[in-house]
Amino acid sequence: EDQVTQSPEALRLQEGESSSLNCSYTVSGLRGLFWYRQDPGKGPEFLFTLYSAGEEKEKERLKATLTKKESFLHITAPKPEDSAPYLCAVRPASGTYKYIFGTGTRLKVLA
Amino acid sequence: ETGVTQTPRHLVMGMTNKKSLKCEQHLGHNAMYWYKQSAKKPLELMFVYSLEERVENNSVPSRFSPECPNSSHLFLHLHTLQPEDSALYLCASSQITGSGWNTEAFFGQGTRLTVV
Repeated sequence: EDQVTQSPEALRLQEGESSSLNCSYTVSGLRGLFWYRQDPGKGPEFLFTLYSAGEEKEKERLKATLTKKESFLHITAPKPEDSAPYLCAVRPASGTYKYIFGTGTRLKVLA
Repeated sequence: ETGVTQTPRHLVMGMTNKKSLKCEQHLGHNAMYWYKQSAKKPLELMFVYSLEERVENNSVPSRFSPECPNSSHLFLHLHTLQPEDSALYLCASSQITGSGWNTEAFFGQGTRLTVV
């Protein structure tokens, strides 16, 4: 069964304290892994797409990496404005329209 | 307007009411989606339209009725809802390429629905 698991559920960091969020997946053929940020009361905001193991993408303090079993979202020197839930989703080869989402990691960065 | 726009942002309705959610995408995409987001649960795919044709209906109760009049607009008609239908309803769009690849989905801000 296709599945996405995100860990930890919640993460509290001090400003400037780098860390990583994990997204583990089990799918029948990966056609893309996606990271989103979702601020309270808003829709998910697209961050990155990764397609193959070894691929990396960067944007400001965020860097996403992908292996055959998991993806990491690395946050370097985070700031309070980085606080938000972060969602991971995968698209399996079995479904053109299917995105399987994890339950997210709630990140809180303290000043 | 850019991206994906949803209206209304908030909706409170009684169980006997009929209401509609509206979504408009300005990205030139050819696929549109309705998702339901409840607390502490992953996003649940409800419906998918590709080129205005419904291609997926994930066992959604008939009290939810989608409509896609063209590739830019998507509606979700609601009637006789239950309190457990209270949730954030998200619209999204993406582009299906000629080779069958699907790009990342872009989401609207959502409609926070409360059924009383």
